[in-house]
Amino acid sequence: GQNIDQPTEMTATEGAIVQINCTYQTSGFNGLFWYQQHAGEAPTFLSYNVLDGLEEKGRFSSFLSRSKGYSYLLLKELQMKDSASYLCAVTNQAGTALIFGKGTTLSVSS
Amino acid sequence: GAGVSQTPSNKVTEKGKYVELRCDPISGHTALYWYRQSLGQGPEFLIYFQGTGAADDSGLPNDRFFAVRPEGSVSTLKIQRTERGDSAVYLCASSLEYGGEQYFGPGTRLTVT
Repeated sequence: GQNIDQPTEMTATEGAIVQINCTYQTSGFNGLFWYQQHAGEAPTFLSYNVLDGLEEKGRFSSFLSRSKGYSYLLLKELQMKDSASYLCAVTNQAGTALIFGKGTTLSVSS
Repeated sequence: GAGVSQTPSNKVTEKGKYVELRCDPISGHTALYWYRQSLGQGPEFLIYFQGTGAADDSGLPNDRFFAVRPEGSVSTLKIQRTERGDSAVYLCASSLEYGGEQYFGPGTRLTVT
């Protein structure tokens, strides 16, 4: 089976750095995705990791350790607009769909 | 270019009725996915199409749910004899090819009263 765990809520202040962790158990690994979802809107793609290490994309970075079943999303120079839910997802065993965690709701305050 | 579109954006129906939800994927995307998202949860996979065929329908909760994609583009999710537990946001996503980055539509919020 597959299971994904991530914190339910996090808070941070503008300009700060926040790290959102995700642990997963999966019977077949084909990559890990991070999506951002603002309230009432569709999820939008942030990052994809299939090999160990850090992928950097502007203010956002994502890290993967396959041996530990662990990933994190790092957000730098936080802005108010970064307040959203951040979803960690892995592909299912068949590689035909994404299995999502429940999401981490990030609240950024001034 | 246009993204994934879904209609209607909101649907309110009575328990026991039949509903159809439509998804227009990004032009040229061969893979299409349906997910369902309840409040406070991540999207839950329902069905995956590669072209016209349902390559994986293991996420459909029961036989009241059915989806088609007759010409390999637009897809319709059909729910018979709706129940209050079917209330959720139904998300459609498409990708250029199998396993590619998925682009989500805005969703249809279904409310069964």
